[in-house]
Amino acid sequence: GENVEQHPSTLSVQEGDSAVIKCTYSDSASNYFPWYKQELGKRPQLIIDIRSNVGEKKDQRIAVTLNKTAKHFSLHITETQPEDSAVYFCAAGSYQKVTFGTGTKLQVIP
Amino acid sequence: DGGITQSPKYLFRKEGQNVTLSCEQNLNHDAMYWYRQDPGQGLRLIYYSQIVNDFQKGDIAEGYSVSREKKESFPLTVTSAQKNPTAFYLCASSRTPEGGQPQHFGDGTRLSIL
Repeated sequence: GENVEQHPSTLSVQEGDSAVIKCTYSDSASNYFPWYKQELGKRPQLIIDIRSNVGEKKDQRIAVTLNKTAKHFSLHITETQPEDSAVYFCAAGSYQKVTFGTGTKLQVIP
Repeated sequence: DGGITQSPKYLFRKEGQNVTLSCEQNLNHDAMYWYRQDPGQGLRLIYYSQIVNDFQKGDIAEGYSVSREKKESFPLTVTSAQKNPTAFYLCASSRTPEGGQPQHFGDGTRLSIL
């Protein structure tokens, strides 16, 4: 089955700086890579996703890149704000289901 | 936002007792999922269902059971065989069972042992 590794487990950045979270996956058949944000005590919410036929996708301050050859994908958050503080999960999957990474706790320091 | 309702929000289980967690969705989604979330371990898939009257085991199905008698409902039973049930349980749904459809999550149920 799919195995997803996510790094780092915690990340602290100053407000306005960029944050990068990296994930690797094992199953070359995976074709869908979503990222979820979970604020304390709340449900995970999709923030951006990318499919295997696309190398990069951007949505305002958030971007995701995918390297299929190396089997890794990354989340980039620019101009971080305190409200970006949360746990971020990557996931990788194909038909039927996705496997989640273990999460990155991002703290944005004002 | 609504769409997926999980109940109860908090649940306590006694030793040897089975408990059932409710998950209802009004999004007309075909696929539904149950995840377990433990600190530092992310979300792990327990069971998932692509269509009514059909479901598959996920990565950690032992000690759990599900049913899918209606499209909008996917209850999870934590049986007495699950020796470490204390966790946060999340239900999710997606429009189709095919990979590539975003999952929408409920607010979760926190289960504890008395």
